Amino acid sequence: NAGVTQTPKFQVLKTGQSMTLQCAQDMNHEYMSWYRQDPGMGLRLIHYSVGAGITDQGEVPNGYNVSRSTTEDFPLRLLSAAPSQTSVYFCASSKLILAGGPGGGELFFGEGSRLTVL
Amino acid sequence: AQRVTQPEKLLSVFKGAPVELKCNYSYSGSPELFWYVQYSRQRLQLLLRHISRESIKGFTADLNKGETSFHLKKPFAQEEDSAMYYCALNQAGTALIFGKGTTLSVSS
Repeated sequence: NAGVTQTPKFQVLKTGQSMTLQCAQDMNHEYMSWYRQDPGMGLRLIHYSVGAGITDQGEVPNGYNVSRSTTEDFPLRLLSAAPSQTSVYFCASSKLILAGGPGGGELFFGEGSRLTVL
Repeated sequence: AQRVTQPEKLLSVFKGAPVELKCNYSYSGSPELFWYVQYSRQRLQLLLRHISRESIKGFTADLNKGETSFHLKKPFAQEEDSAMYYCALNQAGTALIFGKGTTLSVSS
């Protein structure tokens, strides 16, 4: 059981280049999300999805696109990378994010992808 | 607006000393709060949730609605507790809002 798998783990881009961060989960979770982690800023939500075909914006969506064609995959696309997008990106999934109660709110995180934009 | 505030970037304590990591929140409804932890070279993971009222690895956290706080406490810190700790709020069942995190450093 791999859980949440992110690729690549490290990437260096030049300004203006595009790339896709891949995220896959094998836990049949309906909810998936992308966060970025920056020093002194904590974790900020970029985009999230509550199921296949449904996506929505988080706190910092500008410069990023997502799609959710299957339950398992939730790729994050940078269309034209900028130095401000240098960060560590985390994908996370949940079975019960929408529910309250004892099982709700547990996010399962990937190992992170460290992106540097020069 | 919903918000989670962790006022301390870094908390340094000696082994065996009590630990309190502060978390305050702003939320108009009935809050669901969590503590997540990220140990060195490990994935971010759930430590505990307020609704379960549990103690995990000696840590406890009580929701205080009057003070809008959810502080994480441990009576005797251990070196293996050194990690980054995040307080998080369930935003109307759509996302978790995280605070900026507190690095706990426990030294002998």
